Amino acid sequence: EPEVTQTPSHQVTQMGQEVILRCVPISNHLYFYWYRQILGQKVEFLVSFYNNEISEKSEIFDDQFSVERPDGSNFTLKIRSTKLEDSAMYFCASSVGPHGYTFGSGTRLTVV
Amino acid sequence: QQQVKQSPQSLIVQKGGISIINCAYENTAFDYFPWYQQFPGKGPALLIAIRPDVSEKKEGRFTISFNKSAKQFSLHIMDSQPGDSATYFCAASPWNTDKLIFGTGTRLQVFP
Repeated sequence: EPEVTQTPSHQVTQMGQEVILRCVPISNHLYFYWYRQILGQKVEFLVSFYNNEISEKSEIFDDQFSVERPDGSNFTLKIRSTKLEDSAMYFCASSVGPHGYTFGSGTRLTVV
Repeated sequence: QQQVKQSPQSLIVQKGGISIINCAYENTAFDYFPWYQQFPGKGPALLIAIRPDVSEKKEGRFTISFNKSAKQFSLHIMDSQPGDSATYFCAASPWNTDKLIFGTGTRLQVFP
């Protein structure tokens, strides 16, 4: 069964550093998403991406965040200057159409 | 108004029993209601979904019941098995977007 692949599975970074979280969506999918889950809390929407541009973003997705699909297969989330409160599990998801996403297994980001 | 309230927070069921998880919403713009299953260390996986023009949807042992007038929907797991032990999230999506708003999750434990 096709999978959404996320790397790395765990990333530790110092506060103020830039991090890039990587995702390889399922190959024929057209819609891409990032969500995050702070430990023990609910899954929260960050951003959706379609047709090479952001289609929607949440209040969490401020100027410190950016997304890119640099080469037609990867989909990245960049956090420019990490804060302690950015520590969370970040999930990438993709879908053929709106809804019915497949999520990846996540990247656990720990900011120290 | 964008919230989805989920209960209970945790649920313990004996093998063979029925597990019932409830969700409620306020926003009448929601028109897609999926349930996700999440195992430790994995991303959420789509289990079953319903739209408000249907009051019930069944897939195998999993059934969604939907009450549009009460703005409530629930997941029933029949003949619960230890392998069903996971965290379950309800979610909702407004008609004009593909982002998901998740409930807070229910940790289900099924004992033999």
